[in-house]
Amino acid sequence: GAVVSQHPSRVICKSGTSVKIECRSLDFQATTMFWYRQFPKQSLMLMATSNEGSKATYEQGVEKDKFLINHASLTLSTLTVTSAHPEDSSFYICSGAQGAGETQYFGPGTRLLVL
Amino acid sequence: SQQGEEDPQALSIQEGENATMNCSYKTSINNLQWYRQNSGRGLVHLILIRSNEREKHSGRLRVTLDTSKKSSSLLITASRAADTASYFCATDASNAGNMLTFGGGTRLMVKP
Repeated sequence: GAVVSQHPSRVICKSGTSVKIECRSLDFQATTMFWYRQFPKQSLMLMATSNEGSKATYEQGVEKDKFLINHASLTLSTLTVTSAHPEDSSFYICSGAQGAGETQYFGPGTRLLVL
Repeated sequence: SQQGEEDPQALSIQEGENATMNCSYKTSINNLQWYRQNSGRGLVHLILIRSNEREKHSGRLRVTLDTSKKSSSLLITASRAADTASYFCATDASNAGNMLTFGGGTRLMVKP
């Protein structure tokens, strides 16, 4: 199957700093990438959908100025958590799909801890 | 918003027993998918069942879909300790452009 990587796998940062998470499709071109957040023992919540070369579409309740998403190429999307706070501590998972209606392939996730 | 609801939320069984997890959803769908997640890890795609399919098998996995009841079940037969994980259903709703909506998940523990 198609492979999606995320970097870093784990990050600890101080409150107020910004953190960038990369999501890469290694062996396919991801026209669409999705970003999810998962709190402990909870399900995945879709944060935003991004199509290559265009602005991301954010789900209700997700602040676009706080969670900056860039999908500049068909193999890379980045999520930047700006001015991170402890409540942003979570597991962030991305996925990529080759197109509308295509299967999503998930990355291994990034665990963010904000102190 | 979460579309899928899963039950049970947690399930503990002995190795060798079968495990059944259920998922209900609210809107019409293109397909329903089941994923597995080991603690603190990413998702592993298990099986996809389309809206015009009623049952699908993959190894020890059996998935059913009842669109009239808007529900699906995942059966793991002859469970193993290594099956211990969380299992999520996710729906790909019509007109949603392959956006997935995940259920709350079932935490399965298989005791050796």
